Amino acid sequence: DGGITQSPKYLFRKEGQNVTLSCEQNLNHDAMYWYRQDPGQGLRLIYYSQIVNDFQKGDIAEGYSVSREKKESFPLTVTSAQKNPTAFYLCASSIRLAGALNTGELFFGEGSRLTVL
Amino acid sequence: SQKIEQNSEALNIQEGKTATLTCNYTNYSPAYLQWYRQDPGRGPVFLLLIRENEKEKRKERLKVTFDTTLKQSLFHITASQPADSATYLCALDSGDYQLIWGAGTKLIIKP
Repeated sequence: DGGITQSPKYLFRKEGQNVTLSCEQNLNHDAMYWYRQDPGQGLRLIYYSQIVNDFQKGDIAEGYSVSREKKESFPLTVTSAQKNPTAFYLCASSIRLAGALNTGELFFGEGSRLTVL
Repeated sequence: SQKIEQNSEALNIQEGKTATLTCNYTNYSPAYLQWYRQDPGRGPVFLLLIRENEKEKRKERLKVTFDTTLKQSLFHITASQPADSATYLCALDSGDYQLIWGAGTKLIIKP
């Protein structure tokens, strides 16, 4: 079945470490996104990509990095520069980039929970 | 900037009754608004989309309304079941490149 696969489901990081969260989709979607979810807050956009080899910063990109070398893959690296990385991370995709003209629904992965030790 | 407000308190509803969730926004009217369901520890799942020129949208036991005068969308679940218990998120287009998300309302359906 088509969908989005995130891994790992749970991840623990020590201070000063970089960690990479994987996101793979087989929906043939052009647009992919990374969101961060904290208790009591709405989803906040970290990075998004409209097409291969292109990505843009979202509202909270500091301390994160991404790549989009393949249409199917959009990994997120949480760097040591991210001061408060403990959160639930969600990867999503859509046929085209969401916006005022494109109303396509977002498909989400099951999420990755990162905890800093 | 655009802001979305959803009731942060959990909503407790008796099984079989209609559950109504509210999504309020503060500034310009979006081109559309979406509703998602999220179960604990899982990613959100899309439910319904309603456009600015639509008053109401239905899907099985679900109904969404959109009142651009009140700057509000209501999400209704009729004949509610315990399996409907989840957190429901609303999202609207920012007029730019992304969606703006509410924090969600937790719905609890009691048998």
